[in-house]
Amino acid sequence: AQSVTQPDIHITVSEGASLELRCNYSYGATPYLFWYVQSPGQGLQLLLKYFSGDTLVQGIKGFEAEFKRSQSSFNLRKPSVHWSDAAEYFCAVGFSGGYNKLIFGAGTRLAVHP
Amino acid sequence: DSGVTQTPKHLITATGQRVTLRCSPRSGDLSVYWYQQSLDQGLQFLIQYYNGEERAKGNILERFSAQQFPDLHSELNLSSLELGDSALYFCASSASDGPVEAFFGQGTRLTVV
Repeated sequence: AQSVTQPDIHITVSEGASLELRCNYSYGATPYLFWYVQSPGQGLQLLLKYFSGDTLVQGIKGFEAEFKRSQSSFNLRKPSVHWSDAAEYFCAVGFSGGYNKLIFGAGTRLAVHP
Repeated sequence: DSGVTQTPKHLITATGQRVTLRCSPRSGDLSVYWYQQSLDQGLQFLIQYYNGEERAKGNILERFSAQQFPDLHSELNLSSLELGDSALYFCASSASDGPVEAFFGQGTRLTVV
């Protein structure tokens, strides 16, 4: 069965530091991959997505993610974190025939120290 | 603003009751998805409708049902509510059933007391 693992439940970084949030998936073929962000009391906002092509994907708010097929990973990165990036981040997987029947990871809560 | 509208934003009701959550998709979007976000289960896909027809089902309880109307808005009906049904219910919409981005509403927070 398909699954998504986000190994880090909580991460704290200092403002201006770099960030990497990990995501691993389990699926027999190439999935469709997404990163969403949820601020307190808000809905989910799509940061970036990977469907095919270049494995390094640029998203909004300065985020990027790299699809590594050999590692079944889709890690999210940002070179310099801002205090406004504090939120919960979800990795999600869709698959052929169920593109938006998304399977979400458990989420990583990011705290940013000034 | 994603363009997906969910009402109400908050709902408090008693066990055993029935509630209806409403979702208006983005203009032109044919596909609507319902998700449940709870502390113990995380974000789970419930059900998808495409142009009025049920397209996919996830972990949706038999006490729950949904429909999509001719004007493409959707309703999620939750009946015989239990304390464990307390959660944030999200609606999302996308233009098609293919690999396109889904846009999420801000959710309806349901509290069962």
